Amino acid sequence: SYVLTQPPAVSAAPGETATITCGGNHIGSKSVHWYQQKPGQAPVLVIYYDNDRPSGIPERFSGSNPGTTATLTISRVEAGDEADYYCEVWDTDSDHWVFGGGTKLTVL
Amino acid sequence: EMQLVESGGGSVQPGGSLRLSCAASGFTFSKYWVHWVRQVPGKGLVWVARINDDGSSTQYADSVKGRFTISRDNAKNTLELQMNSLGGEDTALYYCARTSGSGGGAFDVWGQGTMVTVSS
Repeated sequence: SYVLTQPPAVSAAPGETATITCGGNHIGSKSVHWYQQKPGQAPVLVIYYDNDRPSGIPERFSGSNPGTTATLTISRVEAGDEADYYCEVWDTDSDHWVFGGGTKLTVL
Repeated sequence: EMQLVESGGGSVQPGGSLRLSCAASGFTFSKYWVHWVRQVPGKGLVWVARINDDGSSTQYADSVKGRFTISRDNAKNTLELQMNSLGGEDTALYYCARTSGSGGGAFDVWGQGTMVTVSS
């Protein structure tokens, strides 16, 4: 089965840039979506189709998927960005949806 | 406002059954694929099952295949998950969520979840 690998934790000081990676076999050939989940809340879509932002998501959130590793980048990090972040793809071979293990972003 | 509201969670003994429901509002339910995703408190998200827009096609995670059944009623704008032969590993918060389009679309609307606890 397809596996997505994320670092368990990432930290950044306010105003800095946080980068969260998502690795998977031939991930560049897949569409990657990213979700933010704060404690006690449902996940919220922050990036879809590798690098598109839903309405209402700040421009500080961006994504890329150049081929070997997908990346979520949060520029000018704010305290309110502290959350768990998950990447997700649809594995066409199995017709299953797969989430990464999640990355906890700590704002220092 | 687009909304998904889950219900039906609760406590059940190992080997028991439970039926979850998800009520959709604020969008044309029949145009979307819908899914169940679960999360053990403090752990990550795990996809469970999906059903296509007209209900003609379903897919399940290996861990629940043969035990869970996903279904929908487009006339009532509802999604259901029938869970049988429950075990402790099924204890989790269950979310319903929609994907925008078929296949690789993102989960763009989520419910708030309903908790299922399997324990003797």
